[in-house]
Amino acid sequence: KAGVTQTPRYLIKTRGQQVTLSCSPISGHRSVSWYQQTPGQGLQFLFEYFSETQRNKGNFPGRFSGRQFSNSRSEMNVSTLELGDSALYLCASVARGITDTQYFGPGTRLTVL
Amino acid sequence: AQSVAQPEDQVNVAEGNPLTVKCTYSVSGNPYLFWYVQYPNRGLQFLLKYITGDNLVKGSYGFEAEFNKSQTSFHLKKPSALVSDSALYFCAVRRNYGQNFVFGPGTRLSVLP
Repeated sequence: KAGVTQTPRYLIKTRGQQVTLSCSPISGHRSVSWYQQTPGQGLQFLFEYFSETQRNKGNFPGRFSGRQFSNSRSEMNVSTLELGDSALYLCASVARGITDTQYFGPGTRLTVL
Repeated sequence: AQSVAQPEDQVNVAEGNPLTVKCTYSVSGNPYLFWYVQYPNRGLQFLLKYITGDNLVKGSYGFEAEFNKSQTSFHLKKPSALVSDSALYFCAVRRNYGQNFVFGPGTRLSVLP
């Protein structure tokens, strides 16, 4: 099976712009989660989608949003980018069950100038 | 609320020596515990998980972890460290279906030749 894929892998934006990141989960996985990783804050949970519905949400401002499509692919959007949004954004997918393992994609490195 | 602590930011060990990366958790009910490893500019890779049963769990690349319910710990171990084990290690917990994974802050392991 193919793993979790994320596009693009690298992105450079300027302050005030918006960005959309894409994640394709492992085939058959229905849950997709997004995380922000920075050197100072570590791995922070953004949100989780299951069957096109947001199931959990982390403590991030409303500029961060996401969605999931019927084929389980997910996108996250960040509007009005700030310098502090520079980070590695990781997507992870889980099959379904509570004991199932979460598998991560390679991440999208976003740099905001 | 669920939480995970990794009390050491950095662990240094000589190649060939045993290594331990510590993790303690706080969660009500039965926890599902996971270890992940991250190499530079990569996503997180799954190492092993504890769901139920034997307290000693074996995983990828010769790693194992011991679940200790009374001490609420899930320490990662390896009998003989390799230089290639140098990476960032994350412990994670999940309690209930529908709840997101909670990750620890990470421990950087350096294996010295």
